[in-house]
Amino acid sequence: EAQVTQNPRYLITVTGKKLTVTCSQNMNHEYMSWYRQDPGLGLRQIYYSMNVEVTDKGDVPEGYKVSRKEKRNFPLILESPSPNQTSLYFCASKGTFSTEAFFGQGTRLTVV
Amino acid sequence: DQQVKQNSPSLSVQEGRISILNCDYTNSMFDYFLWYKKYPAEGPTFLISISSIKDKNEDGRFTVFLNKSAKHLSLHIVPSQPGDSAVYFCAASENPGAQKLVFGQGTRLTINP
Repeated sequence: EAQVTQNPRYLITVTGKKLTVTCSQNMNHEYMSWYRQDPGLGLRQIYYSMNVEVTDKGDVPEGYKVSRKEKRNFPLILESPSPNQTSLYFCASKGTFSTEAFFGQGTRLTVV
Repeated sequence: DQQVKQNSPSLSVQEGRISILNCDYTNSMFDYFLWYKKYPAEGPTFLISISSIKDKNEDGRFTVFLNKSAKHLSLHIVPSQPGDSAVYFCAASENPGAQKLVFGQGTRLTINP
């Protein structure tokens, strides 16, 4: 089954404690991206990657890091989480020439 | 600055009637538009799209209309069914293969039996 898998689904952490949210896709897609969803703001892009070792900033990259060492994986790293990063996070992937993106089920992060 | 706006946070429609969800955009470089549907505890799923060279695209009960001069698009669902109850996001990109999708705030659609 074609899918994008995020882990964990739910996470509560404390301010300043580094964390990683993993994302994996099995569709051999070149493109992957991270979004955050906040009430009244819709989904906003954090980072994206066009292929292995190629990443770029989206609209709200501050406080986040990403890496793309393998085509299937695109982890999101919060080196020093803060309460304003409490949000619902989605990973997405798509083929290079496709507009339709496939989304993971989301990770609800709470930073206290 | 919200480049894609969905001004109705929520919409309630009777089962069997037409649901119309609206979306406005400000960036004239946007060339491709999509609608995504999102159920609770799930990721968004692609519903329908339209290129700027068209003014209408239909897929079963779903039709998207694009008015480029007004920078406005709408999603029509006819007839509406209870399973259509979800949050609908409008999204736009500057070309079909663009790495960047800009999303609206979403509209929560509730279909009443």
